Amino acid sequence: KAGVTQTPRYLIKTRGQQVTLSCSPISGHRSVSWYQQTPGQGLQFLFEYFSETQRNKGNFPGRFSGRQFSNSRSEMNVSTLELGDSALYLCASSKTIEGGRGSTEAFFGQGTRLTVV
Amino acid sequence: SQQGEEDPQALSIQEGENATMNCSYKTSINNLQWYRQNSGRGLVHLILIRSNEREKHSGRLRVTLDTSKKSSSLLITASRAADTASYFCATVSNTGGFKTIFGAGTRLFVKA
Repeated sequence: KAGVTQTPRYLIKTRGQQVTLSCSPISGHRSVSWYQQTPGQGLQFLFEYFSETQRNKGNFPGRFSGRQFSNSRSEMNVSTLELGDSALYLCASSKTIEGGRGSTEAFFGQGTRLTVV
Repeated sequence: SQQGEEDPQALSIQEGENATMNCSYKTSINNLQWYRQNSGRGLVHLILIRSNEREKHSGRLRVTLDTSKKSSSLLITASRAADTASYFCATVSNTGGFKTIFGAGTRLFVKA
């Protein structure tokens, strides 16, 4: 079956602009999480969505937002881009057990590499 | 702040040797997972160990979990050059929804 698809793969934006990244999870997976990866900070959790609801949020400013659609596809948006937002943004989907009692492994997309100039 | 912290940060070994990486975490967990990442690509899931398990095997991988010490180790036996990658542990908290927190990773370099 198809894996997690992230688009676009690469993006160059200018400071102050906004950007929207897309993630299509594996069919049947209802949980989608987003991560930011930078050489200095490692993998930082952004947020997690389940059934169109944000269940958890990491420690990022309000410029970072996301949403999930009824088909489980997710988007994340970063407004007023800063140079420090340059990173690899990874999306992961998982088949979370209903009721939140345990989660299975996460399947990652290849990521979107965002460069802010 | 990171939940998991891997140790060592970097490891260089010869092909055929064993590689051991450790992970420590801070809060109670539902499960702990190990992932591999090849040069800036997406992560690949290796193995999941639940909080009530102590050891798990998968091919050349062996994972142990000590919840009393809040630590886990990943052993790769008979390493190959293709094992060269960054390895991350990820903890899944069992409180308030799912927040999978990754450590900073161990960079493994296997010399042929």
